Amino acid sequence: GAVVSQHPSRVICKSGTSVKIECRSLDFQATTMFWYRQFPKQSLMLMATSNEGSKATYEQGVEKDKFLINHASLTLSTLTVTSAHPEDSSFYICSATGQSNNEQFFGPGTRLTVL
Amino acid sequence: LAKTTQPISMDSYEGQEVNITCSHNNIATNDYITWYQQFPSQGPRFIIQGYKTKVTNEVASLFIPADRKSSTLSLPRVSLSDTAVYYCLVALRGAGSYQLTFGKGTKLSVIP
Repeated sequence: GAVVSQHPSRVICKSGTSVKIECRSLDFQATTMFWYRQFPKQSLMLMATSNEGSKATYEQGVEKDKFLINHASLTLSTLTVTSAHPEDSSFYICSATGQSNNEQFFGPGTRLTVL
Repeated sequence: LAKTTQPISMDSYEGQEVNITCSHNNIATNDYITWYQQFPSQGPRFIIQGYKTKVTNEVASLFIPADRKSSTLSLPRVSLSDTAVYYCLVALRGAGSYQLTFGKGTKLSVIP
């Protein structure tokens, strides 16, 4: 099946710094990529949807100026958490769909810890 | 997006068949039913997807009654490695973006 990778797998940073997370589709072209956040013992919450070459669509309650999403190519989307704070500590997961839009393929996730 | 309801947790012994039922009373005509599996600190993994009747693959079976208001994921002869959270989702497939809404999921614990 299709493979989606994320980098880094985990990151620890100081409060106030910015962190970039990469999501790549390795063997298919991802027309749409999604970013989710998952807090401990909770379900995945969709943060935003991005289509290649256009601005991301953010879910209600998600600050677009804090969570910057760039989907510059059909194989790469990035999520930048700007001025991270401890409450941003979470598990961030991306997913991608190809042109058939029949399935979402999920990345392995990135564990962000803000000290 | 159709809301789903599934048991919060289930326990099963190794080797048994496990059936997890999900309710989706307001499923739309064009919605598909998809199940994902998630291990701790990993991204969800696709298990199976269906529209109606029965779908079977090498991992599981999915039973969907005629009214499509519920579905049952069947895992044959579970092993310890099947301990995970299982999510039932309904979503409009195709036609551009395929957006998923995750519910709380069912935490399956397989006991030796």
